Amino acid sequence: ETGVTQTPRHLVMGMTNKKSLKCEQHLGHNAMYWYKQSAKKPLELMFVYSLEERVENNSVPSRFSPECPNSSHLFLHLHTLQPEDSALYLCASSQGKQLYTGANVLTFGAGSRLTVL
Amino acid sequence: GEDVEQSLFLSVREGDSSVINCTYTDSSSTYLYWYKQEPGAGLQLLTYIFSNMDMKQDQRLTVLLNKKDKHLSLRIADTQTGDSAIYFCAERAGGTSYGKLTFGQGTILTVHP
Repeated sequence: ETGVTQTPRHLVMGMTNKKSLKCEQHLGHNAMYWYKQSAKKPLELMFVYSLEERVENNSVPSRFSPECPNSSHLFLHLHTLQPEDSALYLCASSQGKQLYTGANVLTFGAGSRLTVL
Repeated sequence: GEDVEQSLFLSVREGDSSVINCTYTDSSSTYLYWYKQEPGAGLQLLTYIFSNMDMKQDQRLTVLLNKKDKHLSLRIADTQTGDSAIYFCAERAGGTSYGKLTFGQGTILTVHP
């Protein structure tokens, strides 16, 4: 596979469930991101990892817990979510050396559509 | 903080040109981007422009940047039905320690036959 792959593509969960979203990139990038896309709102940056170290935690509630075990994989662990957390969660990656200089072009996955009942 | 704004909707006829506009507030922006999102897909980079340029052309796409007015536009020539999608403007602020991108809400482009 090439590019950025996200699984599952669709997830329905109750407020008491625990689930995880997975992202994998095959581009040789070493910076990875989680964004939240809600209807009629700009994309919200949630977390950024560079070389497996978290460099951004954008005031995200603790019910969202990211994990980056290596530069190719990124997880978003979900626990006791609220209905307002229903959204499309997008993973992206970029070349780490451009994280601090240069254009830092992001490559996005297709997203995981989350519905919280 | 950074803020990026776009109009929400644009409707054009097939074969016409489309112009999608974007304004931003951060005067220290270094790069500005246009991304496209088709239904059921993630965002795909269309093009980007460095802040010291005022125009960039790539086949049917023309990006214009007015840095004084903090205004960015994307012109799509000979718009096709396959261009129907959501178009996002984004900026990379110069003051952040890493390449944080701030996105607008997106403009829904509808192309009618």
